[in-house]
Amino acid sequence: QVQLVESGGGVVQPGGSLRLSCAASGFTFRSYGMHWVRQAPGKGLEWVAVISYDGTNIFYGDSVKGRFTISRDSSKDTLNLQMNSLRTEDTAVYYCAKGRTQYDSAVAFDFWGQGTMVTVSS
Amino acid sequence: EIVLTQSPATLSLSPGERATLSCRASQSVGSYLAWYQQKPGQSPRLLIYDASNRATGIPARFSGSGSGTDFTLTISSLEPEDFAVYYCQQRSDWPPLFTFGPGTKVDV
Repeated sequence: QVQLVESGGGVVQPGGSLRLSCAASGFTFRSYGMHWVRQAPGKGLEWVAVISYDGTNIFYGDSVKGRFTISRDSSKDTLNLQMNSLRTEDTAVYYCAKGRTQYDSAVAFDFWGQGTMVTVSS
Repeated sequence: EIVLTQSPATLSLSPGERATLSCRASQSVGSYLAWYQQKPGQSPRLLIYDASNRATGIPARFSGSGSGTDFTLTISSLEPEDFAVYYCQQRSDWPPLFTFGPGTKVDV
């Protein structure tokens, strides 16, 4: 069965950096686009970034562009999110999510991890 | 950026009643729309993709309709486990950018 397990969350000061990872299993990781989505405490969902199945196409939400970097290691079935210049408004649960269809830029995310909490605070 | 608006913000209903949730896009998204359910402390779950297709394992009481700018999620007869927050989500054509609506809470 599909499993996505995030790690790397924690508490960091404003301006600091953090690297999140998502370990994928139960599907052919290299065939699917992958996403990061976040949810601030008590708030709605916010899409963060997408990386295509082969890593050639990468796009970001406006609020993280220039600060966050999404990457993937298909030899290890792992998705990463490098977060730099963190702000208090980046405090959220960060989910990795799998695109529903192979190879193309799927509209929907059919599997989600359990999330990892990132707190940006002094 | 395409903005999604969901209404109502809260829908107060009883088990067995019909729920009708609306999602409106600021410009046409064709059929590039999905619906998710999220319960407290849980990750979101995909219900509907491409506006009207039920995801694997989703009960038939959930249905989606619409295209362009106006979409609807209907729960034909609410079960106790359906009380949750529902989000719509779209993907723009190119570049593929994604946005979520603010959510509709369905409560008792």
